[in-house]
Formats: sequence, C-alpha cells, structure tokens
Amino acid sequence: AAGVIQSPRHLIKEKRETATLKCYPIPRHDTVYWYQQGPGQDPQFLISFYEKMQSDKGSIPDRFSAQQFSDYHSELNMSSLELGDSALYFCASSLGEGTYEQYFGPGTRLTVT
Amino acid sequence: AQSVTQLGSHVSVSEGALVLLRCNYSSSVPPYLFWYVQYPNQGLQLLLKYTTGATLVKGINGFEAEFKKSETSFHLTKPSAHMSDAAEYFCAVSRTGGGADGLTFGKGTHLIIQP
Repeated sequence: AAGVIQSPRHLIKEKRETATLKCYPIPRHDTVYWYQQGPGQDPQFLISFYEKMQSDKGSIPDRFSAQQFSDYHSELNMSSLELGDSALYFCASSLGEGTYEQYFGPGTRLTVT
Repeated sequence: AQSVTQLGSHVSVSEGALVLLRCNYSSSVPPYLFWYVQYPNQGLQLLLKYTTGATLVKGINGFEAEFKKSETSFHLTKPSAHMSDAAEYFCAVSRTGGGADGLTFGKGTHLIIQP
C-alpha cells in the first residue's frame, strides 16, 4: 500500500539559511499534519491542514510557515534556521476530518550546523 | 489542554512474558486516545485507537488497550512479548477532540525484550 512520502530524507543546512520540506500524503488523503521530533524527544505537533485550509496550529515557530496545495501535498518552509531546529520532521496524513487515524511518513532529518 | 503521561521511560520484559505499558490521560473533553510504535530511525506506526464505543480495543501485532474513564487510563498490553516488539512506544491524545487535530504525545516508553 502507498505510504506518506517525504522529501528530502536528509537535509543539512547552516544557521540562518532556509529549508523547505515536502510531504506527499497517501492517495485520497486530504489532511496533512506536521510534527517535529528532537533527539530523544516525543513528537511535537506543529500545524495541520484540511482541504488546503489551516485546521489546527500547535507550537510552530513564527519563522516557519506551511501550506497545502491543490494536489494535497504540503510544504513546510523554515527560515533563519537555528541549531535548535535540528530534528526529525514528520508529516502525517489522514482521510477527512475526524477520522483520527494519522499515517506517518518516514521523516526528514534536518541538521543545522 | 489534553495531555498524556506515560509511566516508565524504560520497561524490560522477558520474551514470552506479558507486556504492560502504562498511560494516563488528562482531558477536559471525551478523549480520543492512541498508541503508536516507533522503530529506530523510522516513522510512527499506529497500533490502535480509542474514539468511542467499546472500551477494549484491539490493534495490530497482538496489542490491545483498555480505556478506563474512572482511572483516566489507557494502558497497552500484549500477552506474550516477542523480540520484534522492542521499540519506542508513544501514547497520544487528540489535542482538542475535533477536526484535523494534532496529537499530543507522551514522553515515550522504550520497551526492551530480554531473550
């Protein structure tokens, strides 16, 4: 079965640079979620989109922005990167609001040097 | 705000023994609860969920969990541990109980299986 696709899988950036992470949900899924997982930490919810509209917002820094496009893929844009942004970034997708089953992608490992 | 607390950052059991991972929740609305498993350097896989209805929920790989409102608990069990069960387990709760909610995760429990 098709899964959530995230690209790139690994990304190395320097401080103050920008990064764009991409997420392609499972076919027919219309809802995407972004999470950040620091080393040895639990995942922290950043933001979610349903039908291209922001649905829920968590602890997303103002330096980050995200959007969902007409084909339901989503991009997380990160600017003025800091060392503390180094983490695994997961995207998850679900079918519709209220299904409560989020399927996670393999993650993008971002390293900021 | 909804939250979950996982008791025990590390749990060690012998292969074939009962697995019990504890999770307590705090929620101002009827909670939607989940257990996820994460293997090293991989994403999270949904084991099971509780939304409404039957309080004993069965998931994949022989795991099950029981929602106990009186105890605000949602403990995960498996009758017989297998070496392949060694992983990080996260309990999670839907943030507000509606819509495309994000999840609030517990700190995780690292399950170690002794041969």
